[in-house]
Amino acid sequence: KAGVTQTPRYLIKTRGQQVTLSCSPISGHRSVSWYQQTPGQGLQFLFEYFSETQRNKGNFPGRFSGRQFSNSRSEMNVSTLELGDSALYLCASSPFGAGGVYEQYFGPGTRLTVT
Amino acid sequence: LAKTTQPISMDSYEGQEVNITCSHNNIATNDYITWYQQFPSQGPRFIIQGYKTKVTNEVASLFIPADRKSSTLSLPRVSLSDTAVYYCLVGYGQNFVFGPGTRLSVLP
Repeated sequence: KAGVTQTPRYLIKTRGQQVTLSCSPISGHRSVSWYQQTPGQGLQFLFEYFSETQRNKGNFPGRFSGRQFSNSRSEMNVSTLELGDSALYLCASSPFGAGGVYEQYFGPGTRLTVT
Repeated sequence: LAKTTQPISMDSYEGQEVNITCSHNNIATNDYITWYQQFPSQGPRFIIQGYKTKVTNEVASLFIPADRKSSTLSLPRVSLSDTAVYYCLVGYGQNFVFGPGTRLSVLP
């Protein structure tokens, strides 16, 4: 079974621009979560989607948004990019629909650099 | 404010047992505790998950006391390939919180 895929793998953007990252979960997984990883802040939870609905959300500004499609694929968007948004963005999928924490399978991430 | 803490780094020798503890206050009643392993340039990889008491799988054990305010990941007989960063993840209601990660270095 194919793993979680994320595109693009690397991205360079300029301050003020916006960016869209894509995630394809493992087939059959309906939950998709997004995380930001930086050397200073570590792994931080952005949001989680299940059946096209945002179910959980972390403490990030409204510039960070996401959505999930009917085939469970997900996108996250960051508008008005700031230098501090440079990070590795990780997507994780899970087969479980219940709340709480459950086994998640991570993709390789998208490395975003904002200049 | 909910916070998850764990030691920043640990050293061990091949063949030894390693125990990494994570402290997690305000854990929600229905939340599970999950541990991940991460190598450079890769996404985290699931190791083990538990709710209370003890859970064991083919690679690790997880010990959770009755109050669930902490958890301990136990790696038996580590090898050089276990050198990685280990994270605990706990769901706090609407926000999932990763620990800062413990960088484990296994020495020959």
